[in-house]
Amino acid sequence: QSALTQPASVSGSPGQSITISCTGTSSDVGGYNYVSWYQQHPGKAPKLMIYEVSNRPSGVSNRFSGSKSGNTASLTISGLQAEDEADYYCSSYTSSSTLAVFGGGTKLTVL
Amino acid sequence: QVQLVESGGGLVKPGGSLRLSCAASGFTFSDYYMSWIRQAPGKGLEWVSYISSSGSTIYYADSVKGRFTISRDNAKNSLYLQMNSLRAEDTAVYYCARLSSNLDYWGQGTLVTVSS
Repeated sequence: QSALTQPASVSGSPGQSITISCTGTSSDVGGYNYVSWYQQHPGKAPKLMIYEVSNRPSGVSNRFSGSKSGNTASLTISGLQAEDEADYYCSSYTSSSTLAVFGGGTKLTVL
Repeated sequence: QVQLVESGGGLVKPGGSLRLSCAASGFTFSDYYMSWIRQAPGKGLEWVSYISSSGSTIYYADSVKGRFTISRDNAKNSLYLQMNSLRAEDTAVYYCARLSSNLDYWGQGTLVTVSS
């Protein structure tokens, strides 16, 4: 069981927007602004898409955005494209000795 | 540009050992925490271990504590993971990643298969 809870799958049509949630506790997501999101295509290494809740690294499309409310963080992808089909993982800093925890991952299917 | 290149994976029998290496370039290695993260076939990401920039702070997941040892050589810009007493459930792709407020750069991963 992962420390952070994500839906197993989400789907959307090209051009639509989708949101992936990531629910933790006040000891991780709710307590710190250190939530990050990673995209992973099959057979590839994860890629950082969002850091510190809502910041995009250089080179990441502005179709990707992040937010947080209470103990739940969210990743929104607008204007869905076929290339967005991938697994997405959230991660958060945690006050425990583990330093950070991952969500279980969400498979995004572009219909 | 930042590059992380893992090596050392392979097929090993249960109870055996492997040493993974991660060669870093394109940044000041000694300034950063580094981490090992693994992904079992068809599963999600799992923290394995991290080490501070100086090596003075180390964390291990409970699943590997006492069996795995993380280390680094800042003079060689290299990160290591010594894995002993390997079990079938350690079978995974092992990634090294640079750790700041996030895991901003990842290597391509190296596959470790534990099987008789």
